[in-house]
Amino acid sequence: AQTVTQSQPEMSVQEAETVTLSCTYDTSESDYYLFWYKQPPSRQMILVIRQEAYKQQNATENRFSVNFQKAAKSFSLKISDSQLGDAAMYFCAYTHTGTASKLTFGTGTRLQVTL
Amino acid sequence: GAVVSQHPSRVICKSGTSVKIECRSLDFQATTMFWYRQFPKQSLMLMATSNEGSKATYEQGVEKDKFLINHASLTLSTLTVTSAHPEDSSFYICSAASILSGAGNEKLFFGSGTQLSVL
Repeated sequence: AQTVTQSQPEMSVQEAETVTLSCTYDTSESDYYLFWYKQPPSRQMILVIRQEAYKQQNATENRFSVNFQKAAKSFSLKISDSQLGDAAMYFCAYTHTGTASKLTFGTGTRLQVTL
Repeated sequence: GAVVSQHPSRVICKSGTSVKIECRSLDFQATTMFWYRQFPKQSLMLMATSNEGSKATYEQGVEKDKFLINHASLTLSTLTVTSAHPEDSSFYICSAASILSGAGNEKLFFGSGTQLSVL
């Protein structure tokens, strides 16, 4: 069974600084997708970034980028120029195909952004 | 972007009653919808996968007779918590899969969730 591990229950970053959230996963599949989702206090799940396992290039979305290390099964999220609105729970997630497959979520990292 | 509407956002009910939660895809057809459960300060746990026109597939440990799922159309899936008890109190979230036209790519869109409190 696939598992997703987030070893940092809480993280804190100062506004405008950079923070990296860690995620590791375990799978025997070769073709899969990885995601980072943000859940603000409203509890609405928001897709932050998506990475296809067959792509070597790390995904980037504005201030958000990932460091995808397939051999190490590591998928960290870097948030640059942190903003107060980035404060939320962040979940790493995995699905073994890109076609409407169920997501396996990590336990989440609560990110605080301080002034 | 695609929108998934989930209602109600919050419901309080008495123990022993049944509660229905609706999940609608507003501007796309969703052949597959997923139902998750989230306890306070915990992650989302998949309960079941709902396919239009067929029986839902439940995850291990989820009681299918307690959590009834119906996916009668391409835009609507419902989760009914039958004979609810206080331990069923939780945050329930649906998600729907959309094939974005021209992208050849499927993405998941989440509803805003339902907080169920059983007294």
